[in-house]
Amino acid sequence: KNQVEQSPQSLIILEGKNCTLQCNYTVSPFSNLRWYKQDTGRGPVSLTIMTFSENTKSNGRYTATLDADTKQSSLHITASQLSDSASYICVVSADNAGNMLTFGGGTRLMVKP
Amino acid sequence: NAGVTQTPKFQVLKTGQSMTLQCAQDMNHNSMYWYRQDPGMGLRLIYYSASEGTTDKGEVPNGYNVSRLNKREFSLRLESAAPSQTSVYFCASSEIWDAPVQYFGPGTRLTVT
Repeated sequence: KNQVEQSPQSLIILEGKNCTLQCNYTVSPFSNLRWYKQDTGRGPVSLTIMTFSENTKSNGRYTATLDADTKQSSLHITASQLSDSASYICVVSADNAGNMLTFGGGTRLMVKP
Repeated sequence: NAGVTQTPKFQVLKTGQSMTLQCAQDMNHNSMYWYRQDPGMGLRLIYYSASEGTTDKGEVPNGYNVSRLNKREFSLRLESAAPSQTSVYFCASSEIWDAPVQYFGPGTRLTVT
């Protein structure tokens, strides 16, 4: 069964600090991996999308990495801001499955002043 | 552009009541989706419409029906609500069925007592 596991489940950091969120998946055959940010009470918003051949991708202070061999991804947030407080969701797409996606349970990040 | 809009934002139903959740997108997208999000779990696909005129079951379709009214609108109906359907429901759209970016609405928080 396709699965996406994220860790930690929750994280508290101080404003200005960096953090790294982890994602392990068992989706096969792999097509792409996406990271979404979900603010409280809102729908998810896309941050990055990575295919098999990409092992790093940045979007401002967000940098995602992908190791397709070990089936692991990470999302690194640099110089955190209060507005980074949200849930971060890892989503994996299987080849030929279109948008039949497997979602992780998310990491809830709280950035404190 | 409003993006993806959903109504209502909140709803409380008694067991056995019926209701329809409405979703509309103004991005001229071909594909639309309904998800549910439960605490600690990843989003799960209920139904999707890969293109106007088609609908298909997702991972958790039991207890729900959908209608793709036109290219813009995709509704989700609960015929006889059950407490297990208490959840947050998200509608999403994408340009085509295997487009890597989905755009989510703000969600409907449904409580069934």
